[in-house]
Amino acid sequence: QKEVEQDPGPLSVPEGAIVSLNCTYSNSAFQYFMWYRQYSRKGPELLMYTYSSGNKEDGRFTAQVDKSSKYISLFIRDSQPSDSATYLCATFETSYDKVIFGPGTSLSVIP
Amino acid sequence: DAGITQSPRHKVTETGTPVTLRCHQTENHRYMYWYRQDPGHGLRLIHYSYGVKDTDKGEVSDGYSVSRSKTEDFLLTLESATSSQTSVYFCAIRKISGHRNTGELFFGEGSRLTVL
Repeated sequence: QKEVEQDPGPLSVPEGAIVSLNCTYSNSAFQYFMWYRQYSRKGPELLMYTYSSGNKEDGRFTAQVDKSSKYISLFIRDSQPSDSATYLCATFETSYDKVIFGPGTSLSVIP
Repeated sequence: DAGITQSPRHKVTETGTPVTLRCHQTENHRYMYWYRQDPGHGLRLIHYSYGVKDTDKGEVSDGYSVSRSKTEDFLLTLESATSSQTSVYFCAIRKISGHRNTGELFFGEGSRLTVL
């Protein structure tokens, strides 16, 4: 079993839709959860991070972590064509030195 | 901008040749990482470094070696390149500020390697 699993997509939505991206993880020791956005032919860039369970909001983006079910979500409200990218979830635990990534979900927002 | 430069950005080589990719940072961060990214697999950790001359293996380290003789440079070497090592390679740094150690990584632009 992979440590972080993610729906691969591709996901295609109309502009203005609410997008839900999801990951599951296997190691209950993970404490930090991150979402990275990667545009085509670019390096990933950190979008949001959360610590432990709960929600975190930043503009149109909301990250949600449910540690009891080991489930990570990213919601994008009022999606825009500029949100078209691959979204990678990632987890981290401070006794490791490693960040573990999911395989990524490709999102296209159609004007 | 995290001050990370990868070189070369693109390389085509032949099976059996050695290849070295360089990652250079300007901000003196302790932790540096090499990942490869392939369709269906996402980012997979090859090797990482937690200081000068301090390195460790990731999940896909076979066929790769690394060196870190200076804080600012982390080199990834393919001893004898194979077609299965055709990939996009990303270098990353982890910023730790005071007590803040969240695993946030900052990536370079990637090095696209094709092994024929």
